[in-house]
Amino acid sequence: GEDVEQSLFLSVREGDSSVINCTYTDSSSTYLYWYKQEPGAGLQLLTYIFSNMDMKQDQRLTVLLNKKDKHLSLRIADTQTGDSAIYFCAALRDFQKLVFGTGTRLLVSP
Amino acid sequence: EAGVAQSPRYKIIEKRQSVAFWCNPISGHATLYWYQQILGQGPKLLIQFQNNGVVDDSQLPKDRFSAERLKGVDSTLKIQPAKLEDSAVYLCASSPVTPGETQYFGPGTRLLVL
Repeated sequence: GEDVEQSLFLSVREGDSSVINCTYTDSSSTYLYWYKQEPGAGLQLLTYIFSNMDMKQDQRLTVLLNKKDKHLSLRIADTQTGDSAIYFCAALRDFQKLVFGTGTRLLVSP
Repeated sequence: EAGVAQSPRYKIIEKRQSVAFWCNPISGHATLYWYQQILGQGPKLLIQFQNNGVVDDSQLPKDRFSAERLKGVDSTLKIQPAKLEDSAVYLCASSPVTPGETQYFGPGTRLLVL
């Protein structure tokens, strides 16, 4: 089966870069996603990367994919207090099923 | 473009009672998903519809959970009877025509079973 794992917690200072890591087990995962969840809210899609790409940049967000090691990371540049939330990594399996990690809680302090 | 709508936002019931959740996907989205998110965990897929047909319900506890998507638009998820371990956030998501395209999530319904 598919396992997606993330570290539980990350704390940074405002203005620093944040790097959230994720590992997955199913090498046939075609798309990998990053979602953000704020308290009491649903999941907001941040970005995604296709499995044949190594990197994708979108404004302050940079996604790196190491397919050999099945490792995905999300870098947030110039982290702001508004970035405090839970970040979920998700892998697409069988072209239709999203498997989520347990989430990384990011805390940004002023 | 309106997002995925869900109601109610919160529900408190006692164990063995019944409860139903409603979801209205983004207009034109053929695929609809229901997820269960237990506190401290990532969402887990319960059921996936393509139009009004079920694509995957392998993780739906069918002895107590049921879902339908009449006319391929709105969907309801029902729990009957509820157990304490059903306390969770129930998230609805939708995606465009083909499965595998990006899923967009609603705000969720937070269920507490006492």
